[in-house]
Amino acid sequence: NAGVTQTPKFRVLKTGQSMTLLCAQDMNHEYMYWYRQDPGMGLRLIHYSVGEGTTAKGEVPDGYNVSRLKKQNFLLGLESAAPSQTSVYFCASSYQPPGYEQYFGPGTRLTVT
Amino acid sequence: SQQGEEDPQALSIQEGENATMNCSYKTSINNLQWYRQNSGRGLVHLILIRSNEREKHSGRLRVTLDTSKKSSSLLITASRAADTASYFCARGAGGGSQGNLIFGKGTKLSVKP
Repeated sequence: NAGVTQTPKFRVLKTGQSMTLLCAQDMNHEYMYWYRQDPGMGLRLIHYSVGEGTTAKGEVPDGYNVSRLKKQNFLLGLESAAPSQTSVYFCASSYQPPGYEQYFGPGTRLTVT
Repeated sequence: SQQGEEDPQALSIQEGENATMNCSYKTSINNLQWYRQNSGRGLVHLILIRSNEREKHSGRLRVTLDTSKKSSSLLITASRAADTASYFCARGAGGGSQGNLIFGKGTKLSVKP
């Protein structure tokens, strides 16, 4: 089992460029999440999905879009990158909460110049 | 912010000593979880304690929960240099989307050999 994988691991964008981060899990989890982690801020939830074809906003959704076309994949898109989106992005998955742990990917370090 | 608060923000100890980290939160919970993050890596789940539990053990880890004080503590006994990492508490509320985890800002633990 690969668990949760993320692509790419690192990326540098210029302001205004777009990109998509890919998350894949092989644990048949219904729930998937995208977080961003900034120094001193902990993890903040961007968007999440409760199942294939469904998405919902988290705490900090502005400037991001997501799609869950297949149960095992969760995509995070930045349509027009801004320097404020420089961060480390983590994907996670879990069984239906409450009471279940989340499994995290290794992260994507994104720098927007 | 809905984030919990960890205390202290940073902790430096010698190998063999015990490390205690605290977490406080403001609203009711279904469960509280602790995660570890090694530098540059994703989060790894350590332990989950449910709201009707007061104490839980896993190897050298001991977690307590006091719902009346809305606080939890993580004790690592006989620490090792490999325990050097950031530790996060995350509270889970109700079911479905309400069960999304809210992460604290973390405690950075340094264990010196």
